[in-house]
Amino acid sequence: DIQMTQSPSSLSASVGDRVTITCRASQGVGNYLAWFQQKPGKAPKSLIYAASKLQSGVPSKFSASGSGTEFTLTITSLQPEDFATYYCLHYYSHPPAFGQGTKVEIK
Amino acid sequence: EVQLLDSGGGLVQPGGSLRLSCVASGFSFSSYAMSWVRQAPGKGLEWVSVVGDIGDTTYYADSVKGRFTISRDNSKNTLYLQMNSLRAEDTAVYYCAKDRWPNSGSYYDFDYWGQGTLVTVSS
Repeated sequence: DIQMTQSPSSLSASVGDRVTITCRASQGVGNYLAWFQQKPGKAPKSLIYAASKLQSGVPSKFSASGSGTEFTLTITSLQPEDFATYYCLHYYSHPPAFGQGTKVEIK
Repeated sequence: EVQLLDSGGGLVQPGGSLRLSCVASGFSFSSYAMSWVRQAPGKGLEWVSVVGDIGDTTYYADSVKGRFTISRDNSKNTLYLQMNSLRAEDTAVYYCAKDRWPNSGSYYDFDYWGQGTLVTVSS
């Protein structure tokens, strides 16, 4: 099974900051990689699919890149509503696997 | 508008059973594979099971294989998860999740999620 590792596990940032989260796969997953945002008590929300494609309705402040084993999610001009936990997911093969999550907190 | 409404969670004793449901609307349910994903309290997301668009293909995580059964009724736009022989480690919020592309033989590219239903396994 392919394992996904996110870093960092948590980070503190200020409103207006730019943050980058990394997701590494234990073996190549092509571009079969998605990113989700989850706020406390809520369901995950799709942000990115196919490694870099923006989900409809998601603001362009979210961007992502990568292929193979290393991927990044970047959030520019962090706003209060962006403070949440972010997960990557590979869907290259069965079983799919999520990263452990990155909690973005207010500094 | 796509909507997924999860229900059926509750408190159950170890060894007991529970059936979860996910009622879908706003899209052609019978054209999309559907999954269940769970999240233990304070933990990350774990994929549980998938069923293909016509219900003939199913896969399970090793942690639930032989105990959980996924199914769907396309006439009722409803996804199910029958959970038997429940254990304390099955305690979690269970979400249904919709695949992005219709009639696709590849799975797990999720675009919409239900609101979740809490299953607590405890004596």
